[in-house]
Amino acid sequence: QVHLVQSGAEVKKPGASVKVSCKTSGYTFTSYGISWVRQAPGQGLEWMGWISGYIGNTNYAQKLQGRITMTTDTSTSTAYMELRSLRSDDTAVYYCARDGELSSHDGFDIWGEGTMVTVSS
Amino acid sequence: DIQMTQSPSSLSASVGDRVTITCRASQSISSYLNWYQQKPGKAPKLLIYAASSLQSGVPSRFSGSGSGTDFTLTISSLQPEDFATYYCQQSYSTPRAFGQGTRLEIK
Repeated sequence: QVHLVQSGAEVKKPGASVKVSCKTSGYTFTSYGISWVRQAPGQGLEWMGWISGYIGNTNYAQKLQGRITMTTDTSTSTAYMELRSLRSDDTAVYYCARDGELSSHDGFDIWGEGTMVTVSS
Repeated sequence: DIQMTQSPSSLSASVGDRVTITCRASQSISSYLNWYQQKPGKAPKLLIYAASSLQSGVPSRFSGSGSGTDFTLTISSLQPEDFATYYCQQSYSTPRAFGQGTRLEIK
């Protein structure tokens, strides 16, 4: 079975950084990409960016450019998302989701359980 | 960037009803449209991909249609477990934008 297991909840102060992990299992990590999606409390879904499991190339949402870095560790089939210079409006549940390559059009078929990140002084 | 607009934002219906949710893209996205269901405190679940393809394991009462800019999600006969929030998402280009969501409530 395919699983994406995320790291635990985080509480950060404004200006700090957070790094969320997404450990995958049950499929060939390098054959798929990973997208990251966040959801602020009571709000909708926001796509943050994508990373290839094969090459590690990335595509980020423009509004997060300069603050976000996505990486992978193919030896452990794990994806990471780091967000820097945190602000209160970064408070959200952060999800990783299995995606295809950037040219894929098939949707996000498997999701992690989500990681709550709270930014508060 | 492509903008996705869903309607209605919320909807009240009864068990057994037929329900339709609409999603409109700000430009043509061919058939690259996906639908998700999300229940409170849970991750979204993929229901429909490529506008009309049913994801494995999803009940056949869910169906999708459309192409270009206008799409619909139909639930043929609402079941108690279908009361949730539904999102459309375009996968034509990045950013892979979502609609704002449609909350389906029990009447």
